[in-house]
Amino acid sequence: AQSVTQPDIHITVSEGASLELRCNYSYGATPYLFWYVQSPGQGLQLLLKYFSGDTLVQGIKGFEAEFKRSQSSFNLRKPSVHWSDAAEYFCAVGFTFGNEKLTFGTGTRLTIIP
Amino acid sequence: SQTIHQWPATLVQPVGSPLSLECTVEGTSNPNLYWYRQAAGRGLQLLFYSIGIDQISSEVPQNLSASRPQDRQFILSSKKLLLSDSGFYLCAWNGGRGGYTFGSGTRLTVV
Repeated sequence: AQSVTQPDIHITVSEGASLELRCNYSYGATPYLFWYVQSPGQGLQLLLKYFSGDTLVQGIKGFEAEFKRSQSSFNLRKPSVHWSDAAEYFCAVGFTFGNEKLTFGTGTRLTIIP
Repeated sequence: SQTIHQWPATLVQPVGSPLSLECTVEGTSNPNLYWYRQAAGRGLQLLFYSIGIDQISSEVPQNLSASRPQDRQFILSSKKLLLSDSGFYLCAWNGGRGGYTFGSGTRLTVV
């Protein structure tokens, strides 16, 4: 069965610093990979997704993620965080394009300090 | 454009009372629909998904049920709520372009 691991439960970053959130997956083939962001009390918003092709994908709000097959990873990065980036971030994996049931990681809560 | 509506936003219910949460999608047809529950610190748990009217798959046996009486309507129900049913419930749809669009969620507190 596929699974997703987000090893960092909580990360604190200074405003303006760079950010990397880790995501590892377990699946026999190349999955479809997603990152979502959730503000407190809100639904989830799609940041970016990877299906195939270029392993570096760009998303909204200045985020990017890199798929590394050899490491089974899909880490999310941002070069300079803003206070508004404080939220919870979820990595997700699917295996059937267009009809996928996504499996989500347990999330990483991001705190931004001035 | 496609939108997803979920209500109510907040609900406080006593133990043993019934539950009905509704989710509707606009601007699309025959969407795949999903109910997730998010418990504190535990990520998202898929409860039910549906690929069409009256076609419901349950992922986790529990005190809840789901129905899809119309193409763009997905309902989560319970006959008798338990304390453990408390959580944040999210509806989502998959339009076939990859990834989900989520509703704004319902915060359910069972007291």
